[in-house]
Amino acid sequence: GQSLEQPSEVTAVEGAIVQINCTYQTSGFYGLSWYQQHDGGAPTFLSYNALDGLEETGRFSSFLSRSDSYGYLLLQELQMKDSASYFCAVRARDSNYQLIWGAGTKLIIKP
Amino acid sequence: NAGVMQNPRHLVRRRGQEARLRCSPMKGHSHVYWYRQLPEEGLKFMVYLQKENIIDESGMPKERFSAEFPKEGPSILRIQQVVRGDSAAYFCASSPVSPTGNNSPLHFGNGTRLTVT
Repeated sequence: GQSLEQPSEVTAVEGAIVQINCTYQTSGFYGLSWYQQHDGGAPTFLSYNALDGLEETGRFSSFLSRSDSYGYLLLQELQMKDSASYFCAVRARDSNYQLIWGAGTKLIIKP
Repeated sequence: NAGVMQNPRHLVRRRGQEARLRCSPMKGHSHVYWYRQLPEEGLKFMVYLQKENIIDESGMPKERFSAEFPKEGPSILRIQQVVRGDSAAYFCASSPVSPTGNNSPLHFGNGTRLTVT
């Protein structure tokens, strides 16, 4: 079966940089996505990696290493509004290409 | 361009009643997905539908749960004879292409919080 591991909680200071790691086990890997969710609201798409390397979108970047079954989300210049839960989600052949989600990382930002 | 619309936002049902959750996808999106989320957990895939067809229901319990996406109108997730364990947030998402479409992010609604008393 598929599984994803990510830290349950990360704390950082406003203006700093934080990295949220995600490791996964799956068969027929297709892509790794990151979503943000504020207080149980609608998850919103942040980033997607299908190939190894870094994808940059403004203050957010996402990295993937398929050989290590590992990825991370990097958030720079943290702002208080970035306080939220962040989910990695894998799409793979053995899940019929549906997104399989990690349990989420709660990011706490202190002033 | 309105986003994914779900209603109701909150739904309270007694054990044994039926719950109907509605989802209107974004304009131009013909692929709809239903997910369930418990507190402090990730989303769990339930069912994937395309207009008038259920494509993948591998995550949906075989009993009491059903879903449809008719030619006209919203997608409906129906839970019959609800039990306390059905209490959760149910999210609907839509996309313009299938899951194997190149980097097709899902657009989510605000969810329906179902409470079974």
